[in-house]
Amino acid sequence: AQSVAQPEDQVNVAEGNPLTVKCTYSVSGNPYLFWYVQYPNRGLQFLLKYITGDNLVKGSYGFEAEFNKSQTSFHLKKPSALVSDSALYFCAVRDRGSTLGRLYFGRGTQLTVWP
Amino acid sequence: GAGVSQSPRYKVAKRGQDVALRCDPISGHVSLFWYQQALGQGPEFLTYFQNEAQLDKSGLPSDRFFAERPEGSVSTLKIQRTQQEDSAVYLCASSLGGLPISDTQYFGPGTRLTVL
Repeated sequence: AQSVAQPEDQVNVAEGNPLTVKCTYSVSGNPYLFWYVQYPNRGLQFLLKYITGDNLVKGSYGFEAEFNKSQTSFHLKKPSALVSDSALYFCAVRDRGSTLGRLYFGRGTQLTVWP
Repeated sequence: GAGVSQSPRYKVAKRGQDVALRCDPISGHVSLFWYQQALGQGPEFLTYFQNEAQLDKSGLPSDRFFAERPEGSVSTLKIQRTQQEDSAVYLCASSLGGLPISDTQYFGPGTRLTVL
């Protein structure tokens, strides 16, 4: 069975500080991993994905994520947070071995960046 | 348009009414997905189309839910005899190809359905 856990419902950081949003996953095979961001009353916006290769993935708006196979984690990071980064962040996984494209999402983490 | 569009953005229905939600995917995208997002939850998969073929409908919660994509572009999600537990945001996503499944899914703004 495929599943995603985002252990923190909320993350609060001060502007300019580094931020981390945590994600762990469980898949029957090898994963494709994704991060999306959701602003109020808007759909999900793609940030980045891990397919293969370098474990550190760089994405939009200065975000990056590190794939750790041994810890089955894919934490989202940014070196210096902005107030405009405040939003709801979702981690998602897809089983590499499946021919179907469905994504499995975590419950989301609300990030608040204080000025 | 440049992105996935959905209509209506908001829908209020009385319990027992039928509703139809529309999705216009990105032009040329082969794959189309529907997800349901309940309040405070992550999106949950409903169904998947590759062109006009519905390849996976394992996430549809009951036979009251029906989706179609007759010409391989626009898709409609229909819910018959709506119930209060159907209240949610319904998200549509599209991706470029049927394979590889590493394709990124691009989401529309969603339709917020409220069943009274």
